[in-house]
Amino acid sequence: DVKVTQSSRYLVKRTGEKVFLECVQDMDHENMFWYRQDPGLGLRLIYFSYDVKMKEKGDIPEGYSVSREKKERFSLILESASTNQTSMYLCATSHWNGYTFGSGTRLTVV
Amino acid sequence: KQEVTQIPAALSVPEGENLVLNCSFTDSAIYNLQWFRQDPGKGLTSLLLIQSSQREQTSGRLNASLDKSSGRSTLYIAASQPGDSATYLCAVRPNSGGSNYKLTFGKGTLLTVNP
Repeated sequence: DVKVTQSSRYLVKRTGEKVFLECVQDMDHENMFWYRQDPGLGLRLIYFSYDVKMKEKGDIPEGYSVSREKKERFSLILESASTNQTSMYLCATSHWNGYTFGSGTRLTVV
Repeated sequence: KQEVTQIPAALSVPEGENLVLNCSFTDSAIYNLQWFRQDPGKGLTSLLLIQSSQREQTSGRLNASLDKSSGRSTLYIAASQPGDSATYLCAVRPNSGGSNYKLTFGKGTLLTVNP
């Protein structure tokens, strides 16, 4: 089975900090995704990467950037964290058998 | 623009009941449809994937059907158990176009199975 690992389950950061959320997959998949999930808004796509160093903006990229230097690792970066970025962040890969998600990172910005 | 609706938003049933969760989508040009389960504070766990050419998929007590022409999918759970309590999400992947990687999610159905 595909495994998608998010390095942190819970994070608390201060406003203005630079925040890195890490995601690693173990199956050499090309496509990787970052979503955020908020009550009432559902899941929204932040960024997508279809290969090393390749990325596309999703629906809500503002305030975020991404890095994919190796195929197995996809990082989400909050350049200057703000309270409205408090959310659940979910990483995923896609493959022939659908999408596989990580366990999520609950980020709180104070 | 694809829209995915899940009805009901919440459902509470006694243990042992068979139940059906509904998912409808507005654009029938889909590549596949996937059902997920999400426990509170956790990530999404894939339950079933139905390709556009398929009518149904089964896994244990779960059966998912797809009627692409009418834009509907159902998730049938047999003999429900308290451990089935979770939020169930459906997501569709488009068939073509530059964004054919991009899933569209429903808002989910919160299922509670009472002992």
